[in-house]
Amino acid sequence: DAGITQSPRHKVTETGTPVTLRCHQTENHRYMYWYRQDPGHGLRLIHYSYGVKDTDKGEVSDGYSVSRSKTEDFLLTLESATSSQTSVYFCAISDHGTGEYEQYFGPGTRLTVT
Amino acid sequence: AQKVTQAQTEISVVEKEDVTLDCVYETRDTTYYLFWYKQPPSGELVFLIRRNSFDEQNEISGRYSWNFQKSTSSFNFTITASQVVDSAVYFCALSEASGTYKYIFGTGTRLKVLA
Repeated sequence: DAGITQSPRHKVTETGTPVTLRCHQTENHRYMYWYRQDPGHGLRLIHYSYGVKDTDKGEVSDGYSVSRSKTEDFLLTLESATSSQTSVYFCAISDHGTGEYEQYFGPGTRLTVT
Repeated sequence: AQKVTQAQTEISVVEKEDVTLDCVYETRDTTYYLFWYKQPPSGELVFLIRRNSFDEQNEISGRYSWNFQKSTSSFNFTITASQVVDSAVYFCALSEASGTYKYIFGTGTRLKVLA
């Protein structure tokens, strides 16, 4: 299994509070991604990173920011959480330089905003 | 623009039946990659297979087989002699090879295999 961890695994927070989710990998993969999973929508890309300090927006980036100061860590921040951000968040990694293009996913973080 | 369609929201079969999960994709790129992932009730996402656009060979792995047809932009997944452990949500995904390496996922098909 790819070495990807997410923390916290579960979080309940109140509307308006800031929240940071962490993704940590031990595979030295260049690409990292944050998705949210909601019923009926599958997996939707929030932000992704193609290298240290190189990030870009996905299809549902409003209300989220990211940072990547080290290869192994990719942080997702909800500046002011809203109930619509209640979801399961998955981090993924990939490494296209080796000819393998599949993503490997972390275990997920279940976030509830009350 | 990329798009992945999994029109089957939920499928129920009885154990030992064969079942095919459909995946139709749209892309303007000539080089792309297609994937299937499994999400069992425990919630993790498990990579099953990758197919490159230039390789239309079908693949079989045990009870699993995949049929890739560029002419119909489809990448279907068949489970032969289904088992209760196959019960999961299955996602099809597409990635273009043109630099950004973003992935687009279908909305998933929930497969229920009844004993």
